[in-house]
Amino acid sequence: AQSVAQPEDQVNVAEGNPLTVKCTYSVSGNPYLFWYVQYPNRGLQFLLKYITGDNLVKGSYGFEAEFNKSQTSFHLKKPSALVSDSALYFCAVSAISGGYNKLIFGAGTRLAVHP
Amino acid sequence: KAGVTQTPRYLIKTRGQQVTLSCSPISGHRSVSWYQQTPGQGLQFLFEYFSETQRNKGNFPGRFSGRQFSNSRSEMNVSTLELGDSALYLCASSWTSDGADTQYFGPGTRLTVL
Repeated sequence: AQSVAQPEDQVNVAEGNPLTVKCTYSVSGNPYLFWYVQYPNRGLQFLLKYITGDNLVKGSYGFEAEFNKSQTSFHLKKPSALVSDSALYFCAVSAISGGYNKLIFGAGTRLAVHP
Repeated sequence: KAGVTQTPRYLIKTRGQQVTLSCSPISGHRSVSWYQQTPGQGLQFLFEYFSETQRNKGNFPGRFSGRQFSNSRSEMNVSTLELGDSALYLCASSWTSDGADTQYFGPGTRLTVL
């Protein structure tokens, strides 16, 4: 069965410092991996995805993620955190069953960036 | 281009009632997926529609149903509401039903069952 784990419920970072939000996955075959962000009372906003190719993926708002096949990880990173980055972050894997659209999400990690 | 829209944004119902939620996808998108978000269970896949056909369904009881119209707009229906159905219901659309395609989410409908 395909699954996603986000081992940290919350990550605390000082503004200006680099941030990392961790994600590991378990899939059969090649994974399609996604990061979304959710602000209070809002839907999910797409940040970036890995389908194939370069292991370092760049996305919106200065975020990037590194795909590591041997460690089955897809950690989200940003070189310099902003207070406005404080939100709930979700890692997801696309369930490749007949090519249908079905995202399996991790539990989410709350990022708190302190001034 | 307008994003995914969902109506209504908020709903309050009582146990035993039924409810219909609506989703309008991004123009040109033919796939619509529905997810339920709760504090306890997180984000869970409900079902996906593509070209008016249900392509995939999650592990939810038959009280949860949906449909898609020829203009790709979608509705989901929950009958005989239970307290546990209180959740944020999110709709997402994408161009195709390919798992590599990005799903874009609407703002959600917050359903409260009393």
